[in-house]
Amino acid sequence: AQRVTQPEKLLSVFKGAPVELKCNYSYSGSPELFWYVQYSRQRLQLLLRHISRESIKGFTADLNKGETSFHLKKPFAQEEDSAMYYCALQNSGNTPLVFGKGTRLSVIA
Amino acid sequence: SQTIHQWPATLVQPVGSPLSLECTVEGTSNPNLYWYRQAAGRGLQLLFYSVGIGQISSEVPQNLSASRPQDRQFILSSKKLLLSDSGFYLCAWSVGPARFNGYTFGSGTRLTVV
Repeated sequence: AQRVTQPEKLLSVFKGAPVELKCNYSYSGSPELFWYVQYSRQRLQLLLRHISRESIKGFTADLNKGETSFHLKKPFAQEEDSAMYYCALQNSGNTPLVFGKGTRLSVIA
Repeated sequence: SQTIHQWPATLVQPVGSPLSLECTVEGTSNPNLYWYRQAAGRGLQLLFYSVGIGQISSEVPQNLSASRPQDRQFILSSKKLLLSDSGFYLCAWSVGPARFNGYTFGSGTRLTVV
């Protein structure tokens, strides 16, 4: 069965410092991976997806199949990045996304 | 434009009372629909999903049920609420497999069972 692990419940960094939110997955096939973000008092929303290889709000994520990881990175954290971040996986077919337990990022001024 | 409506936003219900949470999608046809429960430290737990009218898949055997009476309507129900049903319930939709475009989430319902 597929599983998504986010080892850190809370991550605190200073403004301007680099950020890395860890995500590891277990799935034997070729999954599609996503990062979702929930800012205070806002809806959970898609941040970026592996398939698009995009950079959103300065965040990037690279799929490492050897390490089965999809870590989210940003070189310089901003206070507005403080939020709850979820990593998610979808396998082949039309099955639902599987989410990790989430990491709360707190950027300290 | 495509939107998703979820109501009510908050709900306080006594133990043993029934529950009905509604989710409606606009601006698309034949969406995949999902109910998740979000709990602190436990992430997003998939409860039910539906790929078409009358088609419901249950992921977690529990006190809840779901129905899809219309193409763009998804309802989460319970006949008798338990204290453990308290939580934040999220509805989401996708056009086809989520692997292409991900989900769009509703604003959620905070349910407190007292």
